[in-house]
Amino acid sequence: DSGVTQTPKHLITATGQRVTLRCSPRSGDLSVYWYQQSLDQGLQFLIQYYNGEERAKGNILERFSAQQFPDLHSELNLSSLELGDSALYFCASSVQDTQYFGPGTRLTVL
Amino acid sequence: AQSVTQLGSHVSVSEGALVLLRCNYSSSVPPYLFWYVQYPNQGLQLLLKYTSAATLVKGINGFEAEFKKSETSFHLTKPSAHMRDAAEYFCAVSESNDYKLSFGAGTTVTVRA
Repeated sequence: DSGVTQTPKHLITATGQRVTLRCSPRSGDLSVYWYQQSLDQGLQFLIQYYNGEERAKGNILERFSAQQFPDLHSELNLSSLELGDSALYFCASSVQDTQYFGPGTRLTVL
Repeated sequence: AQSVTQLGSHVSVSEGALVLLRCNYSSSVPPYLFWYVQYPNQGLQLLLKYTSAATLVKGINGFEAEFKKSETSFHLTKPSAHMRDAAEYFCAVSESNDYKLSFGAGTTVTVRA
């Protein structure tokens, strides 16, 4: 158990819909990272927050957004969902150089 | 920008045999290097990391990796494979300015009895 929690574990929705994925980092970790794992793209970095501020952005679509709240939990919002957004979404947290990953949320878009 | 290449998408070994997973990286600055393992339907678990200290790094479950700057490599080894080592292994690199990880494509290890 890494200490990073993610909810929900599974999410099934339809094209065009909007969903919110939630992540609670390890106690004391100020950084939260979001990654997408899909069969065709592999593991890709989406976005990083540090103590409530956006720190780095990767291959994140404009339809996706994230935020980190004062209690340091983070949410990833995915809107206008497409079939290709079906993937495993991971959150990770860190103090400095080492990231610890949550169990992931499996999103299925039908 | 950093990137990682993992040679071999699938490796099959006999129980008790050496496990060798290859990883080469590119980075414009001294890198931080990691190996993560993913068991079926689970998240990523950190096996070991290199952050510019000793070049031979020991991790959990009997795994170790050696950082070779001249070869830009960070290969993962385990002397004797066990059935529980069957999983997917990812090599990753990050840089000190933002720590975001760039992952290789992964290597799936199967262990034959």
